[in-house]
Amino acid sequence: KAGVTQTPRYLIKTRGQQVTLSCSPISGHRSVSWYQQTPGQGLQFLFEYFSETQRNKGNFPGRFSGRQFSNSRSEMNVSTLELGDSALYLCASRREEGRGHEQYFGPGTRLTVT
Amino acid sequence: DAKTTQPPSMDCAEGRAANLPCNHSTISGNEYVYWYRQIHSQGPQYIIHGLKNNETNEMASLIITEDRKSSTLILPHATLRDTAVYYCIVKRNYGQNFVFGPGTRLSVLP
Repeated sequence: KAGVTQTPRYLIKTRGQQVTLSCSPISGHRSVSWYQQTPGQGLQFLFEYFSETQRNKGNFPGRFSGRQFSNSRSEMNVSTLELGDSALYLCASRREEGRGHEQYFGPGTRLTVT
Repeated sequence: DAKTTQPPSMDCAEGRAANLPCNHSTISGNEYVYWYRQIHSQGPQYIIHGLKNNETNEMASLIITEDRKSSTLILPHATLRDTAVYYCIVKRNYGQNFVFGPGTRLSVLP
């Protein structure tokens, strides 16, 4: 069974630009969550999507947004990039049936903002 | 806020059991204990989770105290590849996101 995939794996952008990251969950998983990881703040929750609806949202500015498609694939967008947005962005999916509530993470997208 | 407390770092000799403690004294009756680990710059990897009974899988064992206020993750025969940051998280199955604290940095030494 294929794991969570994220594209691209590495990205370099300049301040003020916008970026879109993509996540394909494990087949059959309907929940997709996004996290930002930086050395200073650790792993922080951005938002979660379930059945194309945002279900939970972390404490991030409105420049961070996301969406989920009918096939459960998800994208997140960051507009007007700032240097502090440089981070590893992680996507995770979970099945949410029976005991299957554990999340499985993708390898992440390493974003560098210059 | 993370609801767990873990030691910031631990060492373990290769081939020995690694016992990683976690305190979660405010855990609610419907909250599970989850363990993840993250090897440098990779996505976190699910290890195991449990509610109140001890659990075992091919990777590890999870021992939860009877009052559920603490737990221990046991890697029975640690290898160098088990060197990672280990996160203990408590959450309900529904309606909550995973909140990651700083975790425990486990170093397996040859």
